[in-house]
Amino acid sequence: DAKTTQPTSMDCAEGRAANLPCNHSTISGNEYVYWYRQIHSQGPQYIIHGLKNNETNEMASLIITEDRKSSTLILPHATLRDTAVYYCIPTGRTGSARQLTFGSGTQLTVLP
Amino acid sequence: EADIYQTPRYLVIGTGKKITLECSQTMGHDKMYWYQQDPGMELHLIHYSYGVNSTEKGDLSSESTVSRIRTEHFPLTLESARPSHTSQYLCASSELGPGGYYNEQFFGPGTRLTVL
Repeated sequence: DAKTTQPTSMDCAEGRAANLPCNHSTISGNEYVYWYRQIHSQGPQYIIHGLKNNETNEMASLIITEDRKSSTLILPHATLRDTAVYYCIPTGRTGSARQLTFGSGTQLTVLP
Repeated sequence: EADIYQTPRYLVIGTGKKITLECSQTMGHDKMYWYQQDPGMELHLIHYSYGVNSTEKGDLSSESTVSRIRTEHFPLTLESARPSHTSQYLCASSELGPGGYYNEQFFGPGTRLTVL
């Protein structure tokens, strides 16, 4: 699995966009980029994933650079409930169905 | 919302006791997982299963054991609990999609275990 680098922590004002970066320069061609978040003391929650195209769903947008070496998760209008640890996880999806390897993630704190 | 349940949510128990942490999902997912997470630390995969009668050890060595007799049920057992087993245990499941790959994992709320 590719190694990832994420900021340890970030702050964001409520109502503003939160942009969470992730470097995954060793990502292989068949690895998708998954994003999960974990609100304190709860189980992780899936947010979004992508391969090379930008993706958007009801929770967030995912921007992947053309060389696929980095990506940015965007929460367009952060709320206090978005305070959580956010994990960027490159992983394959086929064959042996690779497991998720959670790193240390980014602690996002949304400030009122 | 994902339908994956864990019981108990909290458990405080004495050293040497046998315990079983329950995990059930009603989504018909074939793949299930157990993760361990110490407070403020990373999640680590300790067990997973591809389906009935299939169990594998994960990345982190664990003294626990698992079984998968039914698709929806994936219990984790500690034969003799020790203080070093104090941690949060998270169960998850995922579905094999039509393209032959596993979709996103759905997590349960976790069991916080304290061994005195």
